[in-house]
Amino acid sequence: EAGVAQSPRYKIIEKRQSVAFWCNPISGHATLYWYQQILGQGPKLLIQFQNNGVVDDSQLPKDRFSAERLKGVDSTLKIQPAKLEDSAVYLCASSFRRGYYEQYFGPGTRLTVT
Amino acid sequence: GENVEQHPSTLSVQEGDSAVIKCTYSDSASNYFPWYKQELGKRPQLIIDIRSNVGEKKDQRIAVTLNKTAKHFSLHITETQPEDSAVYFCAASNEKTSYDKVIFGPGTSLSVIP
Repeated sequence: EAGVAQSPRYKIIEKRQSVAFWCNPISGHATLYWYQQILGQGPKLLIQFQNNGVVDDSQLPKDRFSAERLKGVDSTLKIQPAKLEDSAVYLCASSFRRGYYEQYFGPGTRLTVT
Repeated sequence: GENVEQHPSTLSVQEGDSAVIKCTYSDSASNYFPWYKQELGKRPQLIIDIRSNVGEKKDQRIAVTLNKTAKHFSLHITETQPEDSAVYFCAASNEKTSYDKVIFGPGTSLSVIP
């Protein structure tokens, strides 16, 4: 079974620029998550989708971050404009359903904001 | 909301010894507790999980214990091997009310010395 795919793997941008990340979950997984992992910390949930609907985005800085999951499959996460503190690894994960299901993580996108 | 603390932040053990990582959570309604292992530069992967209806679960050299009264759970690794070196994250979730929103602890960096 193919895993969760993410691109790009690395991105370096200047502050106030925009950036977008893409995620393709495991086929058949209804739930998709975006996490922000700052160096030395655990993953922090930004947004959770169930199919193409948002289940939880309480920790998403909505003034600069946006995310969508068109057709309930692929998802994009955008930051506009970026700040220095956005430097982190952005992890996408998917699971079969909500509830007691293992989350499968993608390789992540390492974002550096200078 | 839920808050997960984890101790120690770093742990070094000799190969063959045991390692114990402890976590506490704040929300007494949490009922699902997964553990993820993240090797350097790689994605987090689920290694074991426990639900609130059991007090202990074991899988080969790995075991997890849960004390719901005290709101803490622990990961035990016996006969440690160099390949066990990684960052371990505990997490907590309330499947019934939080749509399996998983709150991660800050992580424990385990080093197994050959």
